[in-house]
Amino acid sequence: SAVISQKPSRDICQRGTSLTIQCQVDSQVTMMFWYRQQPGQSLTLIATANQGSEATYESGFVIDKFPISRPNLTFSTLTVSNMSPEDSSIYLCSVGQGAFTDTQYFGPGTRLTVL
Amino acid sequence: AQTVTQSQPEMSVQEAETVTLSCTYDTSESDYYLFWYKQPPSRQMILVIRQEAYKQQNATENRFSVNFQKAAKSFSLKISDSQLGDAAMYFCAYRRLIQGAQKLVFGQGTRLTINP
Repeated sequence: SAVISQKPSRDICQRGTSLTIQCQVDSQVTMMFWYRQQPGQSLTLIATANQGSEATYESGFVIDKFPISRPNLTFSTLTVSNMSPEDSSIYLCSVGQGAFTDTQYFGPGTRLTVL
Repeated sequence: AQTVTQSQPEMSVQEAETVTLSCTYDTSESDYYLFWYKQPPSRQMILVIRQEAYKQQNATENRFSVNFQKAAKSFSLKISDSQLGDAAMYFCAYRRLIQGAQKLVFGQGTRLTINP
């Protein structure tokens, strides 16, 4: 499976600021995804990062709050904008390969705390 | 919409014993994928095992096996010879078998404690 890294691994931010999280994969992948895991909760898909086009957002998530870039097949960024304490979560990227990829592999996650 | 339910928020087992984690799901589709992921305190999500719904044979990976009951929409995980390193949150997940439908739907998780 692909090796996935995320930066930063953790951060503490002030409300009203923005943070950009990077996801880097060691091989080209078809699909990249961003998930949020709120404290003590399960994972929820934020959006699918599409290479060369806008990301596809899930219900409840909007581009103005979570802009996503996917400049190539190995890299994506997620920005958490105008943060509030409710944005404190673990943010994870995952990747899949091929049109019928049946398995997603996850990065190590970014733990965000907003004060 | 598909839903995944894990009815056991916490489980514990003695080291070297066997434990079974429960998962049920709701879907109207006949073909799909099911997964178990493990999340240790490091927060890395690690794939444990996967099952294709169109396969009748239960998946097995070393000490991990599943009991897949399609009619009952049940997908339990059995861990044999439990080890201290198995302590983690375990998440059951569902994925549709349709091109482009990559979304994983997760259950709420079961926290597994291994007692030495």
